[in-house]
Amino acid sequence: AQKITQTQPGMFVQEKEAVTLDCTYDTSDPSYGLFWYKQPSSGEMIFLIYQGSYDQQNATEGRYSLNFQKARKSANLVISASQLGDSAMYFCAMREGLGGTSYGKLTFGQGTILTVHP
Amino acid sequence: NAGVTQTPKFRILKIGQSMTLQCAQDMNHNYMYWYRQDPGMGLKLIYYSVGAGITDKGEVPNGYNVSRSTTEDFPLRLELAAPSQTSVYFCASRRAGGIPDASPLHFGNGTRLTVT
Repeated sequence: AQKITQTQPGMFVQEKEAVTLDCTYDTSDPSYGLFWYKQPSSGEMIFLIYQGSYDQQNATEGRYSLNFQKARKSANLVISASQLGDSAMYFCAMREGLGGTSYGKLTFGQGTILTVHP
Repeated sequence: NAGVTQTPKFRILKIGQSMTLQCAQDMNHNYMYWYRQDPGMGLKLIYYSVGAGITDKGEVPNGYNVSRSTTEDFPLRLELAAPSQTSVYFCASRRAGGIPDASPLHFGNGTRLTVT
């Protein structure tokens, strides 16, 4: 079974609008973290935001926020006020065993390509 | 700050050839990782290391070998290259995590490998 599922192969959004990229996950570990990365066409992987399973509030980093619904096992990325430079592939990833048993390994979803239209 | 440096950026190999992908980090990170990214797909873990002299297999280790003789370097060796190893290879590192372990991975810019 897939541990991380991103069901949207591609998404389109108008500049200055908000967009939500979906991510669902599967784990029986009570201690885990969700990460989002951005991969522009140039290929590098850029860390955006992190949410821990025990965090009481949804994570925010500038225009990025995470809509974390633990019971539904979803960790959707919300980008507000989209910019042309947001066009990229976006990956959701999970780390299980935050107590030190994971050795930091991340499991990635297949990604969502976001295109921002002017 | 150079961060994580991967060389080469691009390489074409013939079937059966061997090569080493180089990875170096200057952040004094203990943890290092090798991932591969097939076209249109997510990243899959090949090998990882928690410190000099300690390595372990990830999800897709077959056809690869690693070594970690120093904290800074984590080369990935491909023996007898096959077309199935055509991919983009990413090296990553991170500092040792606290509890909870929330430190992100820092990635290099990748090596695009084609095996024909």
